[in-house]
Amino acid sequence: GNSVTQMEGPVTLSEEAFLTINCTYTATGYPSLFWYVQYPGEGLQLLLKATKADDKGSNKGFEATYRKETTSFHLEKGSVQVSDSAVYFCALSAMEYGNKLVFGAGTILRVKS
Amino acid sequence: DTEVTQTPKHLVMGMTNKKSLKCEQHMGHRAMYWYKQKAKKPPELMFVYSYEKLSINESVPSRFSPECPNSSLLNLHLHALQPEDSALYLCASSQDHRGQRINSPLHFGNGTRLTVT
Repeated sequence: GNSVTQMEGPVTLSEEAFLTINCTYTATGYPSLFWYVQYPGEGLQLLLKATKADDKGSNKGFEATYRKETTSFHLEKGSVQVSDSAVYFCALSAMEYGNKLVFGAGTILRVKS
Repeated sequence: DTEVTQTPKHLVMGMTNKKSLKCEQHMGHRAMYWYKQKAKKPPELMFVYSYEKLSINESVPSRFSPECPNSSLLNLHLHALQPEDSALYLCASSQDHRGQRINSPLHFGNGTRLTVT
């Protein structure tokens, strides 16, 4: 089965709207969790990460909290901008997966002005 | 600006051609990676080099041949590719192969957009 499951997109929002992109994972133990962002025509950039339960990663107004009890790492931003339009990938790394980065399918975000 | 540089940005090649993709980083990272990304999909791991030695080959066809001449450079040699190999090829680096579990995530280049005709 899938190790990382993200909500399907595209997600289309107006500028200044609240963003949530859901991500849940399957792993035993305590994987490290990541959000990567890919802007058009570019490679992936690390957006934020969390390495243990209840950690909150944050960067550029985005936040995600490592929830062990719900195996989730949802991405949120209080007020999106047009420049946030990109593809967002949730990912995990765990010993059971050989410490390789396991990506979710990606969620396209489109922000309209 | 990305700290991982990939060349060329775009490449069009025929099925009988031989070409190479190049990747360079000067962050002192000792692990380097090749990923393949098809449109609207997540990247798929192809190869991992750790301390200049090939440590992971994800059952990639032999028409893709990686090379790590030194700790800063990573090449991907291409020969007899098929049209379905057309994709974005991404290079990445990290402090070492265990980087995702310690405080050193992957740094990606902007990729080479490959088209096989």
